[in-house]
Amino acid sequence: ETGVTQSPTHLIKTRGQQVTLRCSSQSGHNTVSWYQQALGQGPQFIFQYYREEENGRGNFPPRFSGLQFPNYSSELNVNALELDDSALYLCASSLDNQPQHFGDGTRLSIL
Amino acid sequence: DAKTTQPNSMESNEEEPVHLPCNHSTISGTDYIHWYRQLPSQGPEYVIHGLTSNVNNRMASLAIAEDRKSSTLILHRATLRDAAVYYCILSYNQGGKLIFGQGTELSVKP
Repeated sequence: ETGVTQSPTHLIKTRGQQVTLRCSSQSGHNTVSWYQQALGQGPQFIFQYYREEENGRGNFPPRFSGLQFPNYSSELNVNALELDDSALYLCASSLDNQPQHFGDGTRLSIL
Repeated sequence: DAKTTQPNSMESNEEEPVHLPCNHSTISGTDYIHWYRQLPSQGPEYVIHGLTSNVNNRMASLAIAEDRKSSTLILHRATLRDAAVYYCILSYNQGGKLIFGQGTELSVKP
């Protein structure tokens, strides 16, 4: 089975720009979660989507938004990028309430 | 969100068992105990989870204290590929949001 894939693997942006990160869920999974991992820290929960509806959100501002599509792939959008947004962004998929399976992330650098 | 406490780092010798402890004194009755690990330059990898009873799978065993205020992840024979950061996480259901702490960095010596 194909695992969780994220694109791009690396990205460089400047302050104030907007970015879209993409995630393809593992086959058969209907839930996707996004996490931000700063260097040397554990991942922090951004939000979760279940069957195209937001199903929980962490302590992130509204400029972090997401979408889940009918094929259960997902996007994370971040507007008005700030230097502190530099991090590894991780996507995880699962089937209903089963354990989550993570991709290897997108490394976002803000200059 | 209930919190967990883990040692910052541990060392093990190759082919020896490793016991990774986790304290979660504020756990609620519906919290599942999850363990994930993160190898360098990779996303976290699911290891094991449980609610009340001890659990075994091909990767590891999870021993849960009777009062559920602590648990131990057991790697039966450590290999060099087990060197990673191990996270103990509580979640109100099996697939809910995961609140990661700092984890335990496990190093394995040949």
